[in-house]
This record gives sequence, C-alpha cells and structure tokens, in this order.
Amino acid sequence: QLDLVQSGGGLVKPGGSLRLSCVGSGFNFNDYYMSWIRQTPGKGLEWISYISISGHTIVYADSVKGRFAVSRDNAKNSLQLQMSSLRAEDTAVYYCARGRGGYSDFWGQGAPVTVTS
Amino acid sequence: DIQMTQSPSSLSASVGDRVTIICQASQDISNHLNWYQQKPGKAPNLLIFGASNLQSGVPLRFSGGGSGTEFTFTISSLQPEDVATYYCQHYDNIPQYTFGQGTKVEIK
Repeated sequence: QLDLVQSGGGLVKPGGSLRLSCVGSGFNFNDYYMSWIRQTPGKGLEWISYISISGHTIVYADSVKGRFAVSRDNAKNSLQLQMSSLRAEDTAVYYCARGRGGYSDFWGQGAPVTVTS
Repeated sequence: DIQMTQSPSSLSASVGDRVTIICQASQDISNHLNWYQQKPGKAPNLLIFGASNLQSGVPLRFSGGGSGTEFTFTISSLQPEDVATYYCQHYDNIPQYTFGQGTKVEIK
C-alpha cells in the first residue's frame, strides 16, 4: 500500500531548529523526486524545496534558502528536512510529496510546526 | 517570478451545477499547470496534470483546459463530496513550483 509517513513536527522557539522526516513505502522511492510544501494556518500552499532522485539537484524557495536543508537516503526510502533559524512565519503544516513529470501525485499526511516563544 | 492568479477565491453552487475555476499566469507557461483538490484537514490530491490530463482514478466530471496564460478547471456536475479548496500549480524547468491562492467550493 502506497504511503508517505511523516514525523518530527512540533513546537520550537524562534531561532531554534527542527528536523522533519518522511518515509515512503509501497513504491520505488528512488523512481521519484521529492518535494516539501508547507501550508500556513488558513492560508494556501507554498512549495519550499525539491530534491532530485539522486539527491544531486536541490532547489529551495527564497523564503527558506540558507536556513533549511533537504536530504534523502534512497536505501532507507527516507527524506529529511532540517530547519534552522526558525521564525514565526515558518509556522505551518509541512507536507512531503513524491513527484514525477512536474506534478506531485502523492503526499504525506502533514507535520505541524509551530514557532513561538 | 511567475505569478498565478486564481478566480474566484470562493464559490457556492448547487448539486449538479457546472463549476469553472480560472487560473491565470503572469507569463506564458505552456501547459505546465496542475490542479489539486484539498479537503479540510487532508493533504492535497492531484486531479489534473499537464493542464488537461486526468490523474488515474479521478472521476470524469473533473476536467482541465487551456494553455499559455489562461487555464480552466471544470466540475461538470457538482457533487457533495466535491466540497473542497482547489489549487492550480505551475512548475518550471528549474524546477520551482508556484501555487495559486486557492478556490473554496461550497454547496449552496
């Protein structure tokens, strides 16, 4: 059964760090690029990061560049998002999603991140 | 950067009505446009990719069209289970992805 299981969300203070994980099952993880997308409370969707199948190509949105780092381990079917220097405006539900051909055809369940003092 | 503008931001229609949502790009994006459905508390679900291609398993009442700068998403006969927010999404070759602001669809 197809699944992307996310973990690692939570409460963190401004300036702090948090690591999100996303583990895939039921499909060949190394056939898909992966993305992170976030959704702020009551607002829309914002794409924040892309990592290619090999992990050699990584792209970030300007809003997180220099603060967030994405990585993947194809042997473990896992994707990580290391978030540093967190700000209140990073408060959101974070989704991992698998992608192919420019679209994300399956998403994780989401991990809420709250940045507050 | 390319901007994606969706309209309307919300709509209310009766069961069985035809519903159309517009997504406009600030410059020509060819057919690099996807549509997602998001129900409350759930992750988005891909409905249409490449502007007009129906994702496997998606009901035939959903369709997409357009190219260049103007795109449409249509529900031919609105059903109660279609209550959701719908988002268009552009992708480029970098790759970067840009979502529209979303259209909330409700039943009248």
